[in-house]
Amino acid sequence: QVQLVESGGGVVQPGRSLRLSCAASEFSFGDYGMHWVRQAPGKGLEWVAVISHDGSSKYYADSVKGRLTISRDTSKNTLYLQMDSLRAEDTAVYYCARVHSTYYYYGMDVWGQGTTVTVSS
Amino acid sequence: IQLTQSPSSLSASVGDRVTITCRASQGISSYLAWYQQKPGKAPKLLIYAASTLQSGVPSRFSGSGSGTDFTLTISSLQPEDFATYYCQQLNSYPLTFGPGTKVDIK
Repeated sequence: QVQLVESGGGVVQPGRSLRLSCAASEFSFGDYGMHWVRQAPGKGLEWVAVISHDGSSKYYADSVKGRLTISRDTSKNTLYLQMDSLRAEDTAVYYCARVHSTYYYYGMDVWGQGTTVTVSS
Repeated sequence: IQLTQSPSSLSASVGDRVTITCRASQGISSYLAWYQQKPGKAPKLLIYAASTLQSGVPSRFSGSGSGTDFTLTISSLQPEDFATYYCQQLNSYPLTFGPGTKVDIK
């Protein structure tokens, strides 16, 4: 079935880097825009970034702009989130999610199970 | 664009009718989605374009509204509906979520 599987989370010191991956299966990955959404412990959902189906357009939350970078490799059916200059406030579960029916206004219809990032010394 | 939700939490019984409100700080047309999240799980899309039921979602869920004021209604609350509900605006970037409404058992 349609599936997204995140990986790459872990414990990292402040100021260091980490790269998250999201492997897509059972759908035409190259036809869909993709998002990253995060959730700090005990908190609500925070949208992080979006990338268009062909990678030509990217948008970011103000809180991560300049530090986190979204990218994709359609040949590998994989979405990435490069996380640099990490801060304690980046500690969260990170979810990748698919744009619904290729219409960005329709929300996110498929979500991964999440990967946990903890930024701590 | 800021989103507020009310109430922030509510207690209800099985069979109750539940209404959650989401208000946007500026007009967002019908570019609003609703999600359900259970503890330790990923969010699940319930409603998109303010009032369109996502495939596979029970018909007891419904959404309405446009502009700045939106509602999510559960017509008859079921045991599996106890969860946190979030609205999300998709009118413009950066996308934003509401703070959530936790629905628990009375």
